[in-house]
Amino acid sequence: QKEVEQNSGPLSVPEGAIASLNCTYSDRVSQSFFWYRQYSGKSPELIMSIYSNGDKEDGRFTAQLNKASQYVSLLIRDSQPSDSATYLCAVNGYNTDKLIFGTGTRLQVFP
Amino acid sequence: DTGVSQDPRHKITKRGQNVTFRCDPISEHNRLYWYRQTLGQGPEFLTYFQNEAQLEKSRLLSDRFSAERPKGSFSTLEIQRTEQGDSAMYLCASSPTGTDNEKLFFGSGTQLSVL
Repeated sequence: QKEVEQNSGPLSVPEGAIASLNCTYSDRVSQSFFWYRQYSGKSPELIMSIYSNGDKEDGRFTAQLNKASQYVSLLIRDSQPSDSATYLCAVNGYNTDKLIFGTGTRLQVFP
Repeated sequence: DTGVSQDPRHKITKRGQNVTFRCDPISEHNRLYWYRQTLGQGPEFLTYFQNEAQLEKSRLLSDRFSAERPKGSFSTLEIQRTEQGDSAMYLCASSPTGTDNEKLFFGSGTQLSVL
C-alpha cells in the first residue's frame, strides 16, 4: 500500500464548478497535511495546510481532514482555467520531518 | 529574488559521469530538503538538513548519492557514476524555523538527463 494515494485523473470540470480532489494516507499517526499545486514544467507550490479534523478555508480553497478515515481533500470553488494543474497531497509523519507526496491528481478546468 | 535557487537548470551527461547540483535556500531557512521527481510521479524524498547536519536520508538512496551543506547555507547534491535511471528532476526545498517548519518552498529544480 502506498503511503499517500491519489487518483491520477485527469479530473475535468467546467469553469465555475467545484473541483473535489481526494487523498488517503496510510500512517495513522500522521499529524500534518498539505496541498501543493504544480503547473506543467514548474515546481510545486504550497496552497493549503491543515492539521486538525474539519474544514479550513482560504479564499476559493477548502481543505478537509478526517483523521479517523485517514482522508484529506481539497475543494476548489468557482474553478477557473488557471486552476488547471496537478495537485499534490503531502503528509508528514509523527516522528519524521520529511513530507511524503502522493502522485498527484491532474485537474483540467474547461471554459 | 529571495526564493530557493538551483543551479544548473538543466544537465545532460553521459552514463558513468559524476554530476553535482547546487541549491541556495531562502535566507534564514534552516531546513533544506532534496527531492527527486519523475514524470507522472510526486516528489520522492532523498535527504534533509537542519543547518549543516544531515538528519535523514532515504533508504532508497544508493551510495552513489551524497549531499552536503557545509556551512548551513547552500547545499550540493552529487551523483557519482550516473545511470540512466537517475534521469529526473531534482528539487531542492527549504523551510523556516518555528511553527511553519513543515511548509516547504521549492526551487525550480535541476533537470538531469543521463544518456
